[in-house]
Amino acid sequence: GAGVSQTPSNKVTEKGKYVELRCDPISGHTALYWYRQSLGQGPEFLIYFQGTGAADDSGLPNDRFFAVRPEGSVSTLKIQRTERGDSAVYLCASSLGGENTIYFGEGSWLTVV
Amino acid sequence: AQSVTQLGSHVSVSEGALVLLRCNYSSSVPPYLFWYVQYPNQGLQLLLKYTSAATLVKGINGFEAEFKKSETSFHLTKPSAHMSDAAEYFCAVRRSGNTPLVFGKGTRLSVIA
Repeated sequence: GAGVSQTPSNKVTEKGKYVELRCDPISGHTALYWYRQSLGQGPEFLIYFQGTGAADDSGLPNDRFFAVRPEGSVSTLKIQRTERGDSAVYLCASSLGGENTIYFGEGSWLTVV
Repeated sequence: AQSVTQLGSHVSVSEGALVLLRCNYSSSVPPYLFWYVQYPNQGLQLLLKYTSAATLVKGINGFEAEFKKSETSFHLTKPSAHMSDAAEYFCAVRRSGNTPLVFGKGTRLSVIA
């Protein structure tokens, strides 16, 4: 597709379960970002990849959150032992790097019950 | 640390009236500044960006913003509001081209017929 694609668009899971959220960036984009947006708040930075490596993971809230980008394209955000407070929209974005525009996907809505 | 403050979580204007959404930044170095718009159930879309060229930046959909270093502000304006402008607007800052965006909490714009 032409834009950043995120799957699933909606996910409901039980407290304590493991969740994976997938991001397919725009073709050729080397930089990939994950953000979390809670209701009524602005997006909060989680992690940034340049190629396959995490250039900045300072936004990950704790060790239950982990993200990978093994081939420098698709990325997966992994959340272990989910808690109700993890409920949010998880946004993925990509860019060509440097000062180029960052494009956002429509997000994955995660609800932990 | 870089941050932005958006004054007013909700702004309501009449159709045809001036739109003014306020953003102040905190930065130790000249920043890159951005305005993004988020329509209901959609991802973030870039409206405009300031990257130390012209201080008055024109964006899409008739929006513009002026970088004022003396006031540490980057307010978003539009001369005449349309019903279709109703959305959530986010101001964001980044320190350089290889750092993540830091978002404000957002301002919800309502347009009254």
